[in-house]
Amino acid sequence: TQLLEQSPQFLSIQEGENLTVYCNSSSVFSSLQWYRQEPGEGPVLLVTVVTGGEVKKLKRLTFQFGDARKDSSLHITAAQPGDTGLYLCAAINSGGSNYKLTFGKGTLLTVNP
Amino acid sequence: GAVVSQHPSWVICKSGTSVKIECRSLDFQATTMFWYRQFPKQSLMLMATSNEGSKATYEQGVEKDKFLINHASLTLSTLTVTSAHPEDSSFYICSVEALTSSYNEQFFGPGTRLTVL
Repeated sequence: TQLLEQSPQFLSIQEGENLTVYCNSSSVFSSLQWYRQEPGEGPVLLVTVVTGGEVKKLKRLTFQFGDARKDSSLHITAAQPGDTGLYLCAAINSGGSNYKLTFGKGTLLTVNP
Repeated sequence: GAVVSQHPSWVICKSGTSVKIECRSLDFQATTMFWYRQFPKQSLMLMATSNEGSKATYEQGVEKDKFLINHASLTLSTLTVTSAHPEDSSFYICSVEALTSSYNEQFFGPGTRLTVL
């Protein structure tokens, strides 16, 4: 099972600031997903990255997949209070007839108005 | 994507009792569902993979006799926490595996908050 390190674990910023969250592993990811989870709810998929060096944008969110496919980052521009939540990266482990997700510990983001 | 519901959304029970949590795929026939547990301010930990019509596959360290999983239909999987203890108090989340575009994706339910007194 792949171990994922996410940093920072907690982040509290003011509305309008930019931030970056990191996800790293000592192993190569076959592919990686980023999720956002609000309190008392299940995670919601934001993006899947597959190709090394890949960059995907989702409005104010920019996701990068490292060239070596061992790291990924999520950058939020001009954060808003609605961005508050737990951001999770997850490695996709495929094997046998199922594929499984291994989640990082998450980054708890608070955006203050 | 698939719409997933869970019932109940929260439950409080006495120590020693059993609690059943339902996970329903409302608009998608799910051959495979997953059950996760999440403690406060922590990440999701996979407990087991539920396969329709066959036995669940449990992750290492998860007691299969304590966490009973039944996936009797393509739209319903249940997790029963037997002889619950306070340390079983947690947020239990299920997900449905679906193939969308080129990737397998999981769509998550809203979770069930279990509190064991």
